[in-house]
Amino acid sequence: AQSVAQPEDQVNVAEGNPLTVKCTYSVSGNPYLFWYVQYPNRGLQFLLKYITGDNLVKGSYGFEAEFNKSQTSFHLKKPSALVSDSALYFCAVSPGLTGNTPLVFGKGTRLSVIA
Amino acid sequence: DVKVTQSSRYLVKRTGEKVFLECVQDMDHENMFWYRQDPGLGLRLIYFSYDVKMKEKGDIPEGYSVSREKKERFSLILESASTNQTSMYLCASSLIGIPSNQPQHFGDGTRLSIL
Repeated sequence: AQSVAQPEDQVNVAEGNPLTVKCTYSVSGNPYLFWYVQYPNRGLQFLLKYITGDNLVKGSYGFEAEFNKSQTSFHLKKPSALVSDSALYFCAVSPGLTGNTPLVFGKGTRLSVIA
Repeated sequence: DVKVTQSSRYLVKRTGEKVFLECVQDMDHENMFWYRQDPGLGLRLIYFSYDVKMKEKGDIPEGYSVSREKKERFSLILESASTNQTSMYLCASSLIGIPSNQPQHFGDGTRLSIL
């Protein structure tokens, strides 16, 4: 069965420093991987996805993610964190089998960027 | 932009009541989903639907039912509300996509309190 792990419940980073939010996955076949962000009292917003091709995927708000097949990881990164990046981040995987298979979400990582 | 609209942002109901949560999307998406979000548990899939009048159970369907009479509308029903159903409920939609590589688009959520 497919699964996603976000090993850190909380990540703290100083404003201006690079940030990384970790995600590992387990899925049979080729994975399709997603990152979402949730701001307080809002739904999840799509940030980026990896389907195939270049292992470095660029997304919204200056975020990027690196797909590593050998380590089954899809870590979210940003070169310089902003206070406004503080939010809850979810990694998700699709088993990629059929068109109506739901995404499987991790439990989320709360990012706190400190000024 | 895709818009997923949930009918209520906040809702307070009493135990034993039948509760309806409504969700409408405006992008002709085939797939629609209902999740609940609880601290420390992430998103848990309740039900999803990949076509009108079609429904599939997710991970935690007990105590819930759904209705999809029109493509754009997906309703979640709490048959007899209980206090352990107090939660944030999130609706999402997506294109069907073959393979399943389409992002899900979320509404802003309904925070439901059962007293």
